Amino acid sequence: QSALTQPASVSGSPGQSITISCTGTSSDVGGYNSVSWYQQHPGKAPKLMIYDVSNRPSGVSNRFSGSKSGNTASLTISGLQAEDEADYYCSSYTSSSTWVFGGGTKLTVL
Amino acid sequence: EVQLVESGGGLVKPGGSLRLSCAASGFTFSNAWMSWVRQAPGKGLEWVGRIRSKTGGGTTDYAAPVKGRFTISRDDSKNTLYLQMSSLKTEDTAVYYCTTETTRFDYWGQGTLVTVSS
Repeated sequence: QSALTQPASVSGSPGQSITISCTGTSSDVGGYNSVSWYQQHPGKAPKLMIYDVSNRPSGVSNRFSGSKSGNTASLTISGLQAEDEADYYCSSYTSSSTWVFGGGTKLTVL
Repeated sequence: EVQLVESGGGLVKPGGSLRLSCAASGFTFSNAWMSWVRQAPGKGLEWVGRIRSKTGGGTTDYAAPVKGRFTISRDDSKNTLYLQMSSLKTEDTAVYYCTTETTRFDYWGQGTLVTVSS
């Protein structure tokens, strides 16, 4: 199972919006709504930010939103803040009853 | 409050074995599907495997790189998840996280570092 494809890095200024893409296949992202996004700060455990494509867990800012079209899922962060600077990973359930992660995207807030 | 606390990491030689534990609290562990996810130094996340709840069959699934070498088990009486790792390779060096699994990985432990080196 190949990793999902994410851009290695994205950047934006405070207050701006950015979008991180996550491209898979019809056997994972395109075939299931079990797509989720995780935020990871250096030295910390990942934190769930978006689940089932577009749902936010309780306590996660509404500046974070998710969507999916075909084999590509996207995470959008609006009103960028300094604390959003972190690594972001997408994940999808697969047709093999396994999970696959994206390679990760480093978000830099300029 | 959900808590997952991993332990058992350390330095092990290639070909060796190690058992990780994950102590769970704050939720009904026996009803939970649990997964292990690892992260090699400076690299991304990689799913290792899962164990279903007893009511879900109690069965396990593994990622291809660890199948046949790693075994996941659980002791619901102790609210503890295990990862038995054998025939360890240098590429198994990583921080290992235990997580709850539904349609996502809701809760994560702080991780335990496993270093495979001679």
